[in-house]
Amino acid sequence: LAKTTQPISMDSYEGQEVNITCSHNNIATNDYITWYQQFPSQGPRFIIQGYKTKVTNEVASLFIPADRKSSTLSLPRVSLSDTAVYYCLVGAQAGNNRKLIWGLGTSLAVNP
Amino acid sequence: NAGVTQTPKFRVLKTGQSMTLLCAQDMNHEYMYWYRQDPGMGLRLIHYSVGEGTTAKGEVPDGYNVSRLKKQNFLLGLESAAPSQTSVYFCASSYRTSGGNTGELFFGEGSRLTVL
Repeated sequence: LAKTTQPISMDSYEGQEVNITCSHNNIATNDYITWYQQFPSQGPRFIIQGYKTKVTNEVASLFIPADRKSSTLSLPRVSLSDTAVYYCLVGAQAGNNRKLIWGLGTSLAVNP
Repeated sequence: NAGVTQTPKFRVLKTGQSMTLLCAQDMNHEYMYWYRQDPGMGLRLIHYSVGEGTTAKGEVPDGYNVSRLKKQNFLLGLESAAPSQTSVYFCASSYRTSGGNTGELFFGEGSRLTVL
C-alpha cells in the first residue's frame, strides 16, 4: 500500500501562491492521487484528483511528474479562508478490495 | 439534498457500554466508509461497504462492527466501548468507480465520541 509523506505545516500570506508537495514513492500503477481540505470540526472536502501530468479546476492545480512518486497541490492567491489542513490521499480499487491511505496532512496557516 | 448525515454528533460513554453511530446519505452512492480521526494519526479507515448487504474491514476494524442493510445507511457499532475508542468518527460515501479511480468522497460532519 502506498503511503504518503507531506510537510506537517506551512505558513503563507494572503495573495501568495502556495505549493504543497506530497511524496508517495511506492505508488501503484492503478493508484490515483487526491487532495482534500479540512477545516476544524468539519469533515474533509474534496479539492482535486489526478493520475498523471497536470489537472486544474476552479480552486487548485495538481502537478504529477512522470514517475508519479510525488505530487504538488498548488493553491493560487490564497486567502485567510484557505487556512486548513490539506491531505494527500493515494488509493486504488481492485474489485471489492478498496484501500485508501491518508497522509497526516499539512496544516496551512495563511496570514494577513 | 442533505449529503451525508451522521447521528449523534456527540456522545459520552462509559467503558463497556455499547452504542451505534448512524450514517445516512441521500446521493444514491454505492460506497460508504467509516473513518476515525485522532490527533497526530490522520484518518484511518475502520470499515467500508461497496454495496447494500456488503461490508469489509479497513485498517483498524477491531472493536467495531458495521452493517449496510439499506443502501443509504451505514451503521457503526461499538459492542463494548473502550477508552482507546475515544475519537472523532467520520462517515463518507462515494459513487462506484472504474479502474483505480477512487472517486470523490463526501464526508459527514463527524461524531465526537468520548469513552470514560
